[in-house]
Amino acid sequence: KQEVTQIPAALSVPEGENLVLNCSFTDSAIYNLQWFRQDPGKGLTSLLLIQSSQREQTSGRLNASLDKSSGRSTLYIAASQPGDSATYLCAVTQGGKLIFGQGTELSVKP
Amino acid sequence: DTAVSQTPKYLVTQMGNDKSIKCEQNLGHDTMYWYKQDSKKFLKIMFSYNNKELIINETVPNRFSPKSPDKAHLNLHINSLELGDSAVYFCASSQDSVWGYTFGSGTRLTVV
Repeated sequence: KQEVTQIPAALSVPEGENLVLNCSFTDSAIYNLQWFRQDPGKGLTSLLLIQSSQREQTSGRLNASLDKSSGRSTLYIAASQPGDSATYLCAVTQGGKLIFGQGTELSVKP
Repeated sequence: DTAVSQTPKYLVTQMGNDKSIKCEQNLGHDTMYWYKQDSKKFLKIMFSYNNKELIINETVPNRFSPKSPDKAHLNLHINSLELGDSAVYFCASSQDSVWGYTFGSGTRLTVV
């Protein structure tokens, strides 16, 4: 059974820092991996989608990597800003569905 | 322009009532989903429909009945609501998981 784990559960950093969020999964037979952002009381916004054959994807200050063989993905956020404060969710596609981690709650202090 | 829209956004109801949540997507996707986010913010799939056909039913109580009148709509009807049904319910759609998933803004259901 696929399990997705995100570390840390919560993170607080000062503005301007570069940071890394971690995601691990137990079964490497995934279709792809998607990172989402969820603001309090809001829906999910897709940030990056990495296909199983890809190693990384970049969008602006965000870079996501995927190492399928080791069951790991990282989301790198450069020069963090207070507006980046949110919960970041990692999810893998397997068996026609998304399987989510518990999320990392990020707080960026001005 | 909303890609996946859900109504209502908030729903407060008493135990034992029956309620429905509606979802519509204008992306032309073939597959739609219902996910439940519990009080600990954990998201888990409930159902998926592909072109009106039930594909995934993830051990959800029979009180929950999804209905897909066409591939752009997926509704969720809940009978005899219980306190434990309080959660945020998200609708999502995808076109061949390769391209990822698009989520609605969620329906916060509170059972009192």
